Amino acid sequence: DQQVKQNSPSLSVQEGRISILNCDYTNSMFDYFLWYKKYPAEGPTFLISISSIKDKNEDGRFTVFLNKSAKHLSLHIVPSQPGDSAVYFCAASVAGGTSYGKLTFGQGTILTVHP
Amino acid sequence: NAGVTQTPKFQVLKTGQSMTLQCAQDMNHEYMSWYRQDPGMGLRLIHYSVGAGITDQGEVPNGYNVSRSTTEDFPLRLLSAAPSQTSVYFCASSRAQGLRYGYTFGSGTRLTVV
Repeated sequence: DQQVKQNSPSLSVQEGRISILNCDYTNSMFDYFLWYKKYPAEGPTFLISISSIKDKNEDGRFTVFLNKSAKHLSLHIVPSQPGDSAVYFCAASVAGGTSYGKLTFGQGTILTVHP
Repeated sequence: NAGVTQTPKFQVLKTGQSMTLQCAQDMNHEYMSWYRQDPGMGLRLIHYSVGAGITDQGEVPNGYNVSRSTTEDFPLRLLSAAPSQTSVYFCASSRAQGLRYGYTFGSGTRLTVV
């Protein structure tokens, strides 16, 4: 049972345009969400996180939106740059109790930004 | 500041062999985890630790053992390697209550079991 799903295996955008990566989850106990970027032959790199008490968090070109009622989050990258080409993973966790910090990942979305 | 260091980077094992994947961090992080990444499945949690002497199982713990005798080190032991354990393994660490800052991942160990 995939509790965190990224239904788009790939996304292609032009440089300078907006990239929108989507993620859905089924476990209502999740209350903290993170996005990671991964280049080939490297470990994932943390991008941005959001707590369920918020519906938006921004960090530079990256903005994460959370819709708790729909159990959906998205990552917006504006403007997209060729260096953003990578695999993007969303991850979810419970922010308390014995499961704190145990991350459940989606399958990943390959983003390609064309010059 | 080295961050999270994993060794080896590559390993080929024969079925039934045992080995230990090493993970060390120099950030004094309390939380450490092991994940495996398989094609089309994202990363799955194998084992988890919130501090020295404390470990817990993740989603896919079978065939793996861990121990945490120090804050810095969190080795992952494969008891009897199987082809199904062919994967890329990532170690990660975080400060306590540090979800806001995310986990720092190592560069991975690519393991092939033949």
